[in-house]
Amino acid sequence: SYVLTQPPSVSVAPGQTARITCGGNNIGSKSVHWYQQKPGQAPVLVVYDDSDRPSGIPERFSGSNSGNTATLTISRVEAGDEADYYCQVWDSSSDHGVFGTGTKVTVL
Amino acid sequence: QVQLVESGGGVVQPGRSLRLSCAASGFTFSSYGMHWVRQAPGKGLEWVAVIWYDGSNKYYADSVKGRFTISRDNSKNTLYLQMNSLRAEDTAVYYCARNRAAGDPDAFDIWGQGTMVTVSS
Repeated sequence: SYVLTQPPSVSVAPGQTARITCGGNNIGSKSVHWYQQKPGQAPVLVVYDDSDRPSGIPERFSGSNSGNTATLTISRVEAGDEADYYCQVWDSSSDHGVFGTGTKVTVL
Repeated sequence: QVQLVESGGGVVQPGRSLRLSCAASGFTFSSYGMHWVRQAPGKGLEWVAVIWYDGSNKYYADSVKGRFTISRDNSKNTLYLQMNSLRAEDTAVYYCARNRAAGDPDAFDIWGQGTMVTVSS
């Protein structure tokens, strides 16, 4: 089965840039989506199709995808960005949805 | 506004059954694929199942295949998850989520608030 690997945690100071990686075999050939989940809340889509943003998501959230790594970048980090972040793809070879292991972003 | 509301969760004994519902409003339900996603306490997200907009295709995670059944009633704007032969490891918050595109699986752009299922004797 297809596996997506994320770092367990990322720490960043306010105003700085956070980068969250998502590793998977030839992930660059897939469409990657990213979700933000705050404690006790449902996930929220923040980036879809590698780098597109849903309406209402700040431009500070951006994404890229190439080779074996996709990356979510949060620029000018704010305290309100503190949350768990998950990458996700659809594995067409198995017809399964796949989530990454999740990354907890802590704002120092 | 666009909304998904899950119901049907609760405490159930191992081996028993439970049916979850997800009521959709604010959009044309029959035009979108739908997913179930779950999250065990303190754990990450796990995709469970998907159903195409017209019910023509359904796919399941290996962990639930043969025990869970996803279905929908487009006349009632409602998605279902029938869960049979429940196990302790099925304990989780269950979310329904809308597929962003009408056809092939895509991002999950709208999520419900979740319903808790606890499997325990």
